[in-house]
Amino acid sequence: GQQLNQSPQSMFIQEGEDVSMNCTSSSIFNTWLWYKQDPGEGPVLLIALYKAGELTSNGRLTAQFGITRKDSFLNISASIPSDVGIYFCAGQLGAGGTSYGKLTFGQGTILTVHP
Amino acid sequence: GAVVSQHPSRVICKSGTSVKIECRSLDFQATTMFWYRQFPKQSLMLMATSNEGSKATYEQGVEKDKFLINHASLTLSTLTVTSAHPEDSSFYICSAGGRGGREKLFFGSGTQLSVL
Repeated sequence: GQQLNQSPQSMFIQEGEDVSMNCTSSSIFNTWLWYKQDPGEGPVLLIALYKAGELTSNGRLTAQFGITRKDSFLNISASIPSDVGIYFCAGQLGAGGTSYGKLTFGQGTILTVHP
Repeated sequence: GAVVSQHPSRVICKSGTSVKIECRSLDFQATTMFWYRQFPKQSLMLMATSNEGSKATYEQGVEKDKFLINHASLTLSTLTVTSAHPEDSSFYICSAGGRGGREKLFFGSGTQLSVL
């Protein structure tokens, strides 16, 4: 089946630093999503990408959908303590058919921000 | 934005009992809901896809008789863990999507199940 490789597995940074994480896939996805999960909570959607090459920002977050449709990255600029959490990428084949909405998740990146 | 409500947030039960978890879409109709399982410090693993009015589709390795899914309306799906055992202890999360278009899947807040 499809697999997503997310890296790095964990990051320890100082407040104010920029962060970058990425996901690669062995096969094509039509949608890439980035989520953040706090302990004991469900994932919260950060950014959704729908077109190859698309670059989208949400405040201090920027994500891009790779041209090959097999990869995506997420950047966080000027990190703050509340950025702490686990970040997941997820790929989706897209609307229609039995695969609609079905997400394949990366392994997650644990982010720790030191004040 | 769209909200998915999951209940209960935490449940502790004795081995052999059954536990029901509810997932509701509060401000949209969810034709499809998904159930995930997550172990500590691990990623979300899809268990099954729940479609309103039809049988759920289970992922390989997930026992359909143990994890009963019912999606009787466009706003409610339930997951029942039958005859729970300690190895069923996990964090269960649902997500919901609507009809067509660029639907963004929204997740519930999760249910921490502890089986004693």
